[in-house]
Amino acid sequence: DAGVIQSPRHEVTEMGQEVTLRCKPISGHDYLFWYRQTMMRGLELLIYFNNNVPIDDSGMPEDRFSAKMPNASFSTLKIQPSEPRDSAVYFCASSLNTGGRETQYFGPGTRLLVL
Amino acid sequence: AQSVSQHNHHVILSEAASLELGCNYSYGGTVNLFWYVQYPGQHLQLLLKYFSGDPLVKGIKGFEAEFIKSKFSFNLRKPSVQWSDTAEYFCAVSGNTPLVFGKGTRLSVIA
Repeated sequence: DAGVIQSPRHEVTEMGQEVTLRCKPISGHDYLFWYRQTMMRGLELLIYFNNNVPIDDSGMPEDRFSAKMPNASFSTLKIQPSEPRDSAVYFCASSLNTGGRETQYFGPGTRLLVL
Repeated sequence: AQSVSQHNHHVILSEAASLELGCNYSYGGTVNLFWYVQYPGQHLQLLLKYFSGDPLVKGIKGFEAEFIKSKFSFNLRKPSVQWSDTAEYFCAVSGNTPLVFGKGTRLSVIA
């Protein structure tokens, strides 16, 4: 299995631009998670999906952030417009629900720098 | 909702020293506990996990963790660290929601 795939691995953009991060979960997994990691705030859960349906988006920082999961094998996290404080590493993770005992498998992350 | 506290932000050890990283959680129900490791420049990987049974859990690379219910703790230990253990370590708990991660502890092992 290829594991969780994220693209791009690195993104440098200017303030005000739209940024789209992509994730392909492990085949057969029914949960997908988006995290943001910064030095100041650590690892934060932004949103998660179950069977392509958003379950909890309370971690999404602002309306500038949106996430979609159009099918079981693809999800996007979009920031529009981007700001310098959005600079972080964004991780996608997936799991197979086992009633709370699931191991989450993380992708390699997208390192975002907003200038 | 559950929460996780990792008390040590940065730990520096010499090779062969013993390691113990603290993790405390807050949740009144049945919990599942995890330790993840993030090597420099890499993604998070599962180190070990506890669901039930023997409170002493052994993971990969010689790591172990002990669940002490009365102290709401799940500390990570390794008797002798190596330079290759340099990484960030995250404790996580799941109860009635998906995983909640602690802020992480950065471990630096020096020769």
